[in-house]
Amino acid sequence: QQPVQSPQAVILREGEDAVINCSSSKALYSVHWYRQKHGEAPVFLMILLKGGEQKGHEKISASFNEKKQQSSLYLTASQLSYSGTYFCGTANYGGSQGNLIFGKGTKLSVKP
Amino acid sequence: EPEVTQTPSHQVTQMGQEVILRCVPISNHLYFYWYRQILGQKVEFLVSFYNNEISEKSEIFDDQFSVERPDGSNFTLKIRSTKLEDSAMYFCASRGQGPGKGYTFGSGTRLTVV
Repeated sequence: QQPVQSPQAVILREGEDAVINCSSSKALYSVHWYRQKHGEAPVFLMILLKGGEQKGHEKISASFNEKKQQSSLYLTASQLSYSGTYFCGTANYGGSQGNLIFGKGTKLSVKP
Repeated sequence: EPEVTQTPSHQVTQMGQEVILRCVPISNHLYFYWYRQILGQKVEFLVSFYNNEISEKSEIFDDQFSVERPDGSNFTLKIRSTKLEDSAMYFCASRGQGPGKGYTFGSGTRLTVV
């Protein structure tokens, strides 16, 4: 039930792009993306609901393919502040049953 | 911006002792959660709470764990008899109603069982 994230780690130079993938073996109601910096709490980036939508958040956007039970997070023109561990969280249901199960995370390091 | 507040930030306890971790969720949120993260590892779901009762719990959340919302604002996690493997960062999170809402996490309580 735990979603699978890939890659496990990415090293980028400032200005480069990255894609982080998240896939599930079960039908998904929603996919969340969070970023966690060392020693801090995860911070919500965006949520995608079933329907194949794509969302944007500054230079960070994501897509959700409901049929394939996959989501991808796109980071373009990366900045030093993008460094951290990115987690996808998936919910199989909405409402009170829609608890998130998180993937193992993708550690992103952006170098000058 | 509204915050989820957790206390204490760090707790050290002897094995076998009871601990209570406290959280004050965002006031108009309806869904409450506890997660834990063992150092450098994934964020693991423990329990969700809605409408004054547990809506779902994981295998980790055994009889040693309990949650309460005693006064309409605080949300507590109690571990009755701590084990060494309970050492972790415990995060409380809350979420508002509606399908497009993300979780707001507190800054966590680092529990160390010795």
